[in-house]
This record gives sequence, structure tokens and C-alpha cells, in this order.
Amino acid sequence: IAGITQAPTSQILAAGRRMTLRCTQDMRHNAMYWYRQDLGLGLRLIHYSNTAGTTGKGEVPDGYSVSRANTDDFPLTLASAVPSQTSVYFCASSTGTGNTGELFFGEGSRLTVL
Amino acid sequence: GQNIDQPTEMTATEGAIVQINCTYQTSGFNGLFWYQQHAGEAPTFLSYNVLDGLEEKGRFSSFLSRSKGYSYLLLKELQMKDSASYLCAVMDSNYQLIWGAGTKLIIKP
Repeated sequence: IAGITQAPTSQILAAGRRMTLRCTQDMRHNAMYWYRQDLGLGLRLIHYSNTAGTTGKGEVPDGYSVSRANTDDFPLTLASAVPSQTSVYFCASSTGTGNTGELFFGEGSRLTVL
Repeated sequence: GQNIDQPTEMTATEGAIVQINCTYQTSGFNGLFWYQQHAGEAPTFLSYNVLDGLEEKGRFSSFLSRSKGYSYLLLKELQMKDSASYLCAVMDSNYQLIWGAGTKLIIKP
């Protein structure tokens, strides 16, 4: 079934540890995104990539890094996790062309930093 | 700054009609989106409006007034499965999506 796969679905992490959230899509979409979703707030963009080989910073990029070595994969890394990074993280993709902008989301990764 | 406002929570009765409002102030406008998100799941696309007026898609309709910075999502013949959060998002002049916090819709029998 075509779509976006995220891993892990849930993780508890000690503060200071490094963590990579994986995201893979098989729809050959150009654009990919990482969002975090916190209670009472809208989805906030962390980083994005308009096409393989390029990345950009979103609204809340500090403490996170991404890479886009190929079309399918867009991992998100927390170099040294802090409790404020406790959140649900969603990876998304879109065709990246035109204004329709429909996003396809993964099922989310729930991260708890203690 | 950029801002999307929508009610935090609404309650409606099965079989009835509910209207979820969204007002926005953004740097430019390249379309407004509605997404549905069931608890613990990913958001899924419902509708896209870029011109003023009403777009109808089955039981769901979405309206846009660009001059008023206003949209609503209309859900008819409510079903229990419509219990979810409804997210309003606006694409700004940089083609970035600005998201509202979402409206949690509770359907009662």
C-alpha cells in the first residue's frame, strides 16, 4: 500500500540522548516535511525538503536536523534531546507542484523525553 | 504575525448539521485547507479553497471569503465517525502552510 511510513511509532528517551526518527515514502513525491504537534497548538513545521538534495528550516528548527539523500527518505535527528521536544512528530509529503498543496501524513511518532 | 483562529471544541448531535469556523490573518494567501484528524491518527485532507464561494463534497462543504479572511467547514447528516478534530490551514505567500490549533468535534447520539 502506497504511503508514508514512520518509525518508531513511540519512544521514551533520556534527555541528552541522540535520536533519529525515520520517514520513508513510496509515492515519489518531491516535497517532504516534518511537523510537531503539541496540545493546544497547530502543527508546527520543523524542517522541509522541496526535492532530493535540498532542505530548509521551518518555524521551529532549533535542536533538529534533517537530510534528504534520496527522494524516498527524510530522517529527522535530535542531536541531544531535551524535555521540551516531547511531542508527536508527523512526517508528510506532497507532490510539491502547484498550489493544491495536499499533504499526505505518516501515522506519527510519539516521543517522550525525560 | 500570522494567525489562524478556530473554536477549540464543539458538540453536535448525530444526524444534525454543524459549521466549524476559521478566521485567518496571514502574509499573503495561496489557498485554505481543511483536514480531519481522528484521535491518535494522522491528519487527512478534506478540502481546498482558493476562490471565494462554496465547495461541496458529499456531506462536507467548505466556504471561503478572502475579503473577510474567513472560512467554514459544514458537515451535514452527522455520523458518530465524524467525531474528530478539524484543522484549518492557510498557505501563505511563501507557499508555507500555517495551521490552526484545530476544533475538536464531539458527536452525541
